[in-house]
Amino acid sequence: QVQLVQSGAEVKKPGDSVKVSCKASGYTFTTYYMHWVRQAPGQGLEWMGLINLSDGSIDYADKFQGRVTMTRDTSTSTVYMDLSSLTSEDTAVYHCVRESSGLKNFDYWGQGTLVTVSS
Amino acid sequence: QSALTQPASVSGSPGQSITISCTGTSSDVGAYNYVSWYQQHPGKAPQLMIYDVSNRPSGVSNRFSGSKSGNTASLTISGLQAEDEADYYCNSYTGSSTPYVFGSGTKVTVL
Repeated sequence: QVQLVQSGAEVKKPGDSVKVSCKASGYTFTTYYMHWVRQAPGQGLEWMGLINLSDGSIDYADKFQGRVTMTRDTSTSTVYMDLSSLTSEDTAVYHCVRESSGLKNFDYWGQGTLVTVSS
Repeated sequence: QSALTQPASVSGSPGQSITISCTGTSSDVGAYNYVSWYQQHPGKAPQLMIYDVSNRPSGVSNRFSGSKSGNTASLTISGLQAEDEADYYCNSYTGSSTPYVFGSGTKVTVL
């Protein structure tokens, strides 16, 4: 069965960077895209960007351009999301989310990783 | 890219039908048939309920249906059940430099 297993919770200070991982299993890794979606406490969902797992091409939301980096390791079927220059407004649960290439919907979600930014 | 507009809350009694709207623009909801809907229970990850405006993934109850008219998409839940109490989010492809946008979210309460 499809599983997306994310790394554990993180506590960071303002100005730090965080790297969240998402290990995929149960399907052919490179035939999908992986997105990252975040949710601040008590708030809605926010789309951050995507990575094409076949060729590594990326597409980031304008809001996160220059601050987010998404990469993948095809040998371990793992995707990474690196967010830099953290502020308290980046405190959120971060989800990796699978998209069947080109279908433009999100069929499987990781369990989420809570990133807390606090001085 | 602003969030799509959803009502903050919708409620209904068991067995009733409710409809959640999702209003965008001619550049997102109105331009593409790539509207999807997600159900999120407290503390859980969202789950895909509707894709491509009106299609249900395997395993999703046929009490859930979707439609679109112009720049507004809608999710209808018929035969409302206690387990339907959750937050619901729409999403649309935009084709812009920020290619996906979520709705603001709607809390569904079963009275």
